[in-house]
Amino acid sequence: QKEVEQNSGPLSVPEGAIASLNCTYSDRGSQSFFWYRQYSGKSPELIMSIYSNGDKEDGRFTAQLNKASQYVSLLIRDSQPSDSATYLCAFYPYSSASKIIFGSGTRLSIRP
Amino acid sequence: DADVTQTPRNRITKTGKRIMLECSQTKGHDRMYWYRQDPGLGLRLIYYSFDVKDINKGEISDGYSVSRQAQAKFSLSLESAIPNQTALYFCATSDPRGQAGNQPQHFGDGTRLSIL
Repeated sequence: QKEVEQNSGPLSVPEGAIASLNCTYSDRGSQSFFWYRQYSGKSPELIMSIYSNGDKEDGRFTAQLNKASQYVSLLIRDSQPSDSATYLCAFYPYSSASKIIFGSGTRLSIRP
Repeated sequence: DADVTQTPRNRITKTGKRIMLECSQTKGHDRMYWYRQDPGLGLRLIYYSFDVKDINKGEISDGYSVSRQAQAKFSLSLESAIPNQTALYFCATSDPRGQAGNQPQHFGDGTRLSIL
C-alpha cells in the first residue's frame, strides 16, 4: 500500500466552480497535513496547513481532514484560471515524524 | 529577498563534470533538505540535514553528496554528472521548534540542471 495517493488528473473545472482535490494516506497515526500549489517549472508554495479533524478555511481555500478515514481534501471555491496548477498534499507520518511525505500531485485545470 | 535562495537558477553542463548547487536561507531553520523533481513526477528526497553535524541520506542519494557548511548553508554536489541527473532541484527548510513534526517545509526557487 502506498504511503500517499493522489489522483494525478488532470482535473478540469469550469471557472467559478468548486474544485475538489483529495489525498489518502496509509499511516493512521500521521499528523500535520499540508497542501502545496506548484505552477509548472516553479517551486511548491505552501497554501494550507491542517492539524485537527474537520475543516479549516482560508479565503477561497478549505482544507478538510478526516483521520478516521485517512484522507485530506482541499476545496477551492470560485475557481480562477490562476488556480490552474499542480496541488501536492504532504504530511508527517507517525512512523517517521521527522520526514515529510509528499504526494505526486493532482494537476488542476480551470477552463474559462 | 527570498528566504531560501538557490544558486545557480539554471545550469547546463556536460557528462562527467563536477557540479555544486548551493542553498542558503535566512529563516533561521535548523532543518534543510535537497529534492529532485523530474517532469510529471513527484519530489524525491536526496539528502537532509537536521543540524550542521547531522547529514542523512534520502531515497535517492547515489551519485550525490552534500555539505552543511553552516546552519544557513547546505550544498549539493554531483561528483561526476550523468544525463539522467537532468532534473529540477529544490532546496527546502523547516523549523523543528514546536511539537515534533508539525512544521511545513519552505522551498527555494529551484535549480534547473541539464546534463548533456
